[in-house]
Amino acid sequence: AQTVTQSQPEMSVQEAETVTLSCTYDTSESDYYLFWYKQPPSRQMILVIRQEAYKQQNATENRFSVNFQKAAKSFSLKISDSQLGDAAMYFCAYRSMEYGNKLVFGAGTILRVKS
Amino acid sequence: DSGVTQTPKHLITATGQRVTLRCSPRSGDLSVYWYQQSLDQGLQFLIQYYNGEERAKGNILERFSAQQFPDLHSELNLSSLELGDSALYFCASSVAPRDQQFFGPGTRLTVL
Repeated sequence: AQTVTQSQPEMSVQEAETVTLSCTYDTSESDYYLFWYKQPPSRQMILVIRQEAYKQQNATENRFSVNFQKAAKSFSLKISDSQLGDAAMYFCAYRSMEYGNKLVFGAGTILRVKS
Repeated sequence: DSGVTQTPKHLITATGQRVTLRCSPRSGDLSVYWYQQSLDQGLQFLIQYYNGEERAKGNILERFSAQQFPDLHSELNLSSLELGDSALYFCASSVAPRDQQFFGPGTRLTVL
């Protein structure tokens, strides 16, 4: 079974600075998707960015980018120019391409942004 | 707004009771997923339906059941409720199983 580990329960960043959230996963599959979801205090689950495992190029969405290291099974999220609105819980998630399509989530990292 | 709707937003009930949570997927989406978010278990997958048929099961208790109706809306039934069932229940939908899942706003269940 696939597992996702987020080792940082909580992180803090100064407004306008850069922060990196870590995620590692365990799988025996060669093709899969990885995601970062943001959950603000409203509790809505918002997709931040996704990466397809067969693509070597790291995904980027405006101020959000990932560092995908397939061999190391690592998938970190970098937030540049942090804004107060980035404060939220961030979840790393894995989705298999073969054995069902459920999302497997990590425990989450609370990101606090200081002004 | 993801286009996925869930009702009710909040539900408060007592132990031993039964409740039904409802989900309407985005227009055109055939696949529906249910997830539970609790302090103890985190975010975990419960069950998936595709075009009315159960497709995958996760850590769903026997006291819980779900179905997807011909109009594609889905209901999650929780019975013999226990304090530990208090959680945020999310529904997500996608066009097909391999497509991006869009999450609803969730139903907050409190069991007293």
